[in-house]
Amino acid sequence: AQRVTQPEKLLSVFKGAPVELKCNYSYSGSPELFWYVQYSRQRLQLLLRHISRESIKGFTADLNKGETSFHLKKPFAQEEDSAMYYCALSGQKGGSEKLVFGKGTKLTVNP
Amino acid sequence: DAGVIQSPRHEVTEMGQEVTLRCKPISGHNSLFWYRQTMMRGLELLIYFNNNVPIDDSGMPEDRFSAKMPNASFSTLKIQPSEPRDSAVYFCASSFFAGPPRDEQFFGPGTRLTVL
Repeated sequence: AQRVTQPEKLLSVFKGAPVELKCNYSYSGSPELFWYVQYSRQRLQLLLRHISRESIKGFTADLNKGETSFHLKKPFAQEEDSAMYYCALSGQKGGSEKLVFGKGTKLTVNP
Repeated sequence: DAGVIQSPRHEVTEMGQEVTLRCKPISGHNSLFWYRQTMMRGLELLIYFNNNVPIDDSGMPEDRFSAKMPNASFSTLKIQPSEPRDSAVYFCASSFFAGPPRDEQFFGPGTRLTVL
């Protein structure tokens, strides 16, 4: 079964501090992992995916298959990073494009 | 492009009434997804279509829920009869799928449903 766990419902940091949003997954094959973000009064949108191995808005995420984790990190948080963040997994079996989402972490960056 | 369009944006109804949510995907996309978001359960996939055909409806909670996609530019999610526990935000998303790696899913603004 596919499962995504985001252990923190709420995360609060100060501007300029490092931030890490945790994501652990359960999947027996080779997954594709994503981070989606929803800013206040905006639509849910893709932030980054592990296969791209790129930094978006200063955020990076590394897939650790040994720890089955895909934590999202940013060295210096900004107030505009305040949003709801969802980790998502897609399994490759059967070519399914189904996404399984975690329950999300609400990040608040305080001034 | 206006992106994925959903209507209505808000719906308040009484228990037992039929509710129909509508979605227009992005032109050219061949996959459409219906999600439900609640505080308790987060974002759950209800059903998804590929080329207008339902592929996975394992997330549909019960027979009261049904979804259709009569053509590439329109889909509906119907709840009949509605119950208070159906109160949630319902999202529609679309993407273009041509095999792995998977393309980004583009989400609509959501429909906030309240069943009294």
